[in-house]
Amino acid sequence: GQNIDQPTEMTATEGAIVQINCTYQTSGFNGLFWYQQHAGEAPTFLSYNVLDGLEEKGRFSSFLSRSKGYSYLLLKELQMKDSASYLCAAMDSNYQLIWGAGTKLIIKP
Amino acid sequence: GAVVSQHPSWVICKSGTSVKIECRSLDFQATTMFWYRQFPKQSLMLMATSNEGSKATYEQGVEKDKFLINHASLTLSTLTVTSAHPEDSSFYICSASAPDRNTEAFFGQGTRLTVV
Repeated sequence: GQNIDQPTEMTATEGAIVQINCTYQTSGFNGLFWYQQHAGEAPTFLSYNVLDGLEEKGRFSSFLSRSKGYSYLLLKELQMKDSASYLCAAMDSNYQLIWGAGTKLIIKP
Repeated sequence: GAVVSQHPSWVICKSGTSVKIECRSLDFQATTMFWYRQFPKQSLMLMATSNEGSKATYEQGVEKDKFLINHASLTLSTLTVTSAHPEDSSFYICSASAPDRNTEAFFGQGTRLTVV
């Protein structure tokens, strides 16, 4: 079956760095997405990886290892506004997104 | 980037009535739109995949007679919750595939439905 695993909750300190991991199993693979979702709002796109390696975009970076079925989202210089849920989603061979349950990130001063 | 507009943002309705939610792609043609439901503190749950001009494909456990989906044009899909009950209260979100499918899905703003 298809499955996405990510931690339920993480806590980090303002100004620090946090890494949110995601493992996936899908029927075929057409890329790995990370979304940020604040409470009561729709998700917003953060990153897309389809090739192995690290993609850096400002304070956020995303890594993919296709052979390991593994990705992580790295957030640097954490700010209070980064407190949100982070959703990992893998796109399968039918171009359908398979969603993880999300990781709630709590930032403390 | 592409824009998807969802309306209304929130709605309160009486139990037994029907509610229609619209999802529009404003600057691109969306051959496929997706409808999700999200309960508090839970992830997105795909309800159905809507293809323009054809019947929607519903996920297991989603009642197609209760959640009516229409995708009559390349820019508009609608979800109608029929005979709503309090347990249907949830956050409903639509998304549309970007023209280049290997990029992100664009989400509407979501609709908070409360059935009283």
